[in-house]
Amino acid sequence: KQEVTQIPAALSVPEGENLVLNCSFTDSAIYNLQWFRQDPGKGLTSLLLIQSSQREQTSGRLNASLDKSSGRSTLYIAASQPGDSATYLCAVRGKTSYDKVIFGPGTSLSVIP
Amino acid sequence: DADVTQTPRNRITKTGKRIMLECSQTKGHDRMYWYRQDPGLGLRLIYYSFDVKDINKGEISDGYSVSRQAQAKFSLSLESAIPNQTALYFCATAVWTSGASSILAKNIQYFGAGTRLSVL
Repeated sequence: KQEVTQIPAALSVPEGENLVLNCSFTDSAIYNLQWFRQDPGKGLTSLLLIQSSQREQTSGRLNASLDKSSGRSTLYIAASQPGDSATYLCAVRGKTSYDKVIFGPGTSLSVIP
Repeated sequence: DADVTQTPRNRITKTGKRIMLECSQTKGHDRMYWYRQDPGLGLRLIYYSFDVKDINKGEISDGYSVSRQAQAKFSLSLESAIPNQTALYFCATAVWTSGASSILAKNIQYFGAGTRLSVL
């Protein structure tokens, strides 16, 4: 059974710092991995999607990497801003497009001005 | 307007009551999902539907039922609510698209704002 964990559970950094959020999964046979951002009362927003054949994806100040063999993904946020404060979740889809998506518990990020 | 709309946004109910949560989408996606989120547990899949005639149980379907009334509407029902169903519920949509490479397919999920349900 696939299990997804995220470390740390919470993170507080001063504005301007570069930071890394970690996601681990137990079954390396995944189809893709997706990073989301969750703001209170606003649901989830998709940030980056990495297919199993890809090693990384970039969008603006965000860079997500995927290492299937070790069961890890990292979300790198460059030059953090107070507006980046939110909960970040990773989610993995199983071996096929029809497999279920399993979410991690999330990392709560606070960027202090 | 939001592409994925959930109603109500908040609901307080009593044990044993029947509750329906609604989800509608304007994205034209064929796939729709219902998740619940509990602190420390992340999101867990309740039911999912690939089209109006295709509905599947997810990880935690016991105590829930769904109805895909149309491509754009997917409702979640709690026939007899119990306190441990207190949670934040999310509806999501997705569409399967193939890129130019054809072997790479994208299935990005779009989420509603969530419904906070409290069962007393």
